[in-house]
Amino acid sequence: ETGVTQSPTHLIKTRGQQVTLRCSSQSGHNTVSWYQQALGQGPQFIFQYYREEENGRGNFPPRFSGLQFPNYSSELNVNALELDDSALYLCATPGTSGKSGANVLTFGAGSRLTVL
Amino acid sequence: AQKVTQAQTEISVVEKEDVTLDCVYETRDTTYYLFWYKQPPSGELVFLIRRNSFDEQNEISGRYSWNFQKSTSSFNFTITASQVVDSAVYFCALSGPSSNTGKLIFGQGTTLQVKP
Repeated sequence: ETGVTQSPTHLIKTRGQQVTLRCSSQSGHNTVSWYQQALGQGPQFIFQYYREEENGRGNFPPRFSGLQFPNYSSELNVNALELDDSALYLCATPGTSGKSGANVLTFGAGSRLTVL
Repeated sequence: AQKVTQAQTEISVVEKEDVTLDCVYETRDTTYYLFWYKQPPSGELVFLIRRNSFDEQNEISGRYSWNFQKSTSSFNFTITASQVVDSAVYFCALSGPSSNTGKLIFGQGTTLQVKP
């Protein structure tokens, strides 16, 4: 249990539809990152939000957008879904490693999106 | 550009064997951080270790050990006396100079199967 909760866990959409994925953290960090993990691949950075503003973006088109709320929960929105958007979407917030006290990313279990 | 390469796609061992997972990275930053994460079937990425570029000391944590060699840009991970519970996908990751960044560059991952 990492304290990062994502919903829904699984969902199926059709091409062209829009989807909203949600993330919340028990510790309420002011920074949240989103990643896309296609099957058999490593996670790829989509973007990061800091105090409700986008603060860094990976190589993803504008139809991938996000929101961060005053309570530091977050949403990832994807418009005009394509088949290649099928993936596990992971949310991450900064956490402290109990072993070294190092600042590390703590990930949720993800939302698995299937686009038909 | 930053890049992480995990050349081993899948490794299969029998319980109690030692196994080493390879990781090679590329970066132009002089300060950077390296990570290993474990991803069990549940999907959640579990943090294992963080190492900064100025600390080349190898680390041992129980059955896990890490060998960081700046000269070869490698950060390899060894599991001693593997157990069935070690079966998972393991990711090596790289970040830039900021210790608080939410952006990690992941390798493709190595699937480790430990058979009883």
